[in-house]
Amino acid sequence: GQQVMQIPQYQHVQEGEDFTTYCNSSTTLSNIQWYKQRPGGHPVFLIQLVKSGEVKKQKRLTFQFGEAKKNSSLHITATQTTDVGTYFCGSSNTGKLIFGQGTTLQVKP
Amino acid sequence: EAGVAQSPRYKIIEKRQSVAFWCNPISGHATLYWYQQILGQGPKLLIQFQNNGVVDDSQLPKDRFSAERLKGVDSTLKIQPAKLEDSAVYLCASSLVAPPGNEQYFGPGTRLTVT
Repeated sequence: GQQVMQIPQYQHVQEGEDFTTYCNSSTTLSNIQWYKQRPGGHPVFLIQLVKSGEVKKQKRLTFQFGEAKKNSSLHITATQTTDVGTYFCGSSNTGKLIFGQGTTLQVKP
Repeated sequence: EAGVAQSPRYKIIEKRQSVAFWCNPISGHATLYWYQQILGQGPKLLIQFQNNGVVDDSQLPKDRFSAERLKGVDSTLKIQPAKLEDSAVYLCASSLVAPPGNEQYFGPGTRLTVT
């Protein structure tokens, strides 16, 4: 079945450093969604990408969808302590949203 | 706009007991989802409703889990009997339309501990 793999599983950065998480699939994805889950919280929708090569920005966050629509990345520039949490990618090829296992970001002040 | 409501927030039960969770989606959202999130993993879809009909329940352990969405609004998820491996956070989510291409709004979740 459809799977999306995320790397890395964990990332510890110093405040001010950049952070990137990657989402990969062996099959072509119709779309990719990104969610953020704060510690003890619930997933919150960040963005959706649908077009090949699409790039979207939200302040310090940059989201990319690969040309072949098999991978995606989320890049955070100059991390802040408020960026702490787990970032999930997900795709709904089959009509249901399949999540990756997430990348947990820790930011040291 | 009120968010997705869930209750209870926490529940501790012994194995072989039964438990029920309740979800009230955002008003007007036709699609409702129940996810199971085990610590350290991404949410796993258990069941998806479109109005009051089941769209996907392929990953619902039907020998012990059941869910309903009467009148296409509120939903309940039941586990009977519970097993130790059911310890997880149960998340309810809703969206205006069905996938693909929809934004899902999650509730705060119910943290279930089975002892």
